[in-house]
Amino acid sequence: SQQGEEDPQALSIQEGENATMNCSYKTSINNLQWYRQNSGRGLVHLILIRSNEREKHSGRLRVTLDTSKKSSSLLITASRAADTASYFCATGYNAGNMLTFGGGTRLMVKP
Amino acid sequence: GAVVSQHPSRVICKSGTSVKIECRSLDFQATTMFWYRQFPKQSLMLMATSNEGSKATYEQGVEKDKFLINHASLTLSTLTVTSAHPEDSSFYICSALPGQANQPQHFGDGTRLSIL
Repeated sequence: SQQGEEDPQALSIQEGENATMNCSYKTSINNLQWYRQNSGRGLVHLILIRSNEREKHSGRLRVTLDTSKKSSSLLITASRAADTASYFCATGYNAGNMLTFGGGTRLMVKP
Repeated sequence: GAVVSQHPSRVICKSGTSVKIECRSLDFQATTMFWYRQFPKQSLMLMATSNEGSKATYEQGVEKDKFLINHASLTLSTLTVTSAHPEDSSFYICSALPGQANQPQHFGDGTRLSIL
């Protein structure tokens, strides 16, 4: 079964706006990762945040992690049409580095 | 770096055919590879974890005899869907993990399997 729930399931915004996606999980984790998937393609790793970290940035991406609330958020600033994709959070929770994926957020950025 | 090649990208075949999908890590050694299945507009569901030189660990509900996994080397894992039927049609994705802890998985581009 899926560990994480993502919110919203779908998001439609205009180019230039910010997009925020949220992820909640149930058990203790070692790390939380965000991935992007273009339609019909594999996943591209975006950011990994460890359980002892609270915030991480990469370019236009900002990820937060609140382990007390078992939640994370992904913020994409100044969105572009090319950001249109599905975004998944995944939690790593054991030494084997297995990941459990959330349901994903389908983001559409309109030009 | 960290490129994973998955082949073929698309397969269309008749019911009863066995289909082999390859997953290769091109520029790193992967002690562990993972196989996922994804239905349209849904998330990835882990099917099995493949470790080089040992038997794969299958998730609950995944038939070992149906989905044969071989991790022959540190750069290659294969998934064979045996005697495939229309209900096996899906998008199959592999990922590979470098040896260090707390590292991201690197994904192949997936294989679209369509059984007629």
